[in-house]
Amino acid sequence: GQNIDQPTEMTATEGAIVQINCTYQTSGFNGLFWYQQHAGEAPTFLSYNVLDGLEEKGRFSSFLSRSKGYSYLLLKELQMKDSASYLCAVRDGGYQKVTFGTGTKLQVIP
Amino acid sequence: DSGVTQTPKHLITATGQRVTLRCSPRSGDLSVYWYQQSLDQGLQFLIQYYNGEERAKGNILERFSAQQFPDLHSELNLSSLELGDSALYFCASSAIGTSGDTQYFGPGTRLTVL
Repeated sequence: GQNIDQPTEMTATEGAIVQINCTYQTSGFNGLFWYQQHAGEAPTFLSYNVLDGLEEKGRFSSFLSRSKGYSYLLLKELQMKDSASYLCAVRDGGYQKVTFGTGTKLQVIP
Repeated sequence: DSGVTQTPKHLITATGQRVTLRCSPRSGDLSVYWYQQSLDQGLQFLIQYYNGEERAKGNILERFSAQQFPDLHSELNLSSLELGDSALYFCASSAIGTSGDTQYFGPGTRLTVL
């Protein structure tokens, strides 16, 4: 099975940088996703990591360390519209099943 | 707009009833996934289909069933509904349903069981 841990809530200031961590335990790892979800809306894809290292995409970056079972999502130059939940999801290698963490609710304040 | 459509948007029904939720994947996507999201539980994977065949199964109750049709749209059937089945049900689609394949989510169906 899989176990995914993320902080429940975080608060950060507009214009700042925030790092959202995700740790996971899985019997077979085959990729990690980050999704953004505004309240009552569908999750939208942010990033995908399968190899160790940093993937940068505009204001968002995602890092993976497979040996540590650890990932983080880095959001730079925070904007008010970044207030949302951020979901970490891990794909199981054997069954191709994707398991989502419960998400980190980020509040951006002025 | 992800290109994934779901109907209906809202559904209100009573305990013991049966409902069908419908999903049309993005054009060209072969794989469809169903998720349940309740307030206290986050996204729970229910089931995945690829080109009409079941590929992976999550914590899907026996009262729930799904299928993917030849035109690749999918339906999720929920029967003997209970209050606890009230949730947002999302459908997602991806190109081929394998590693690294990004899932694109539909807008969801909000089910309320009274």
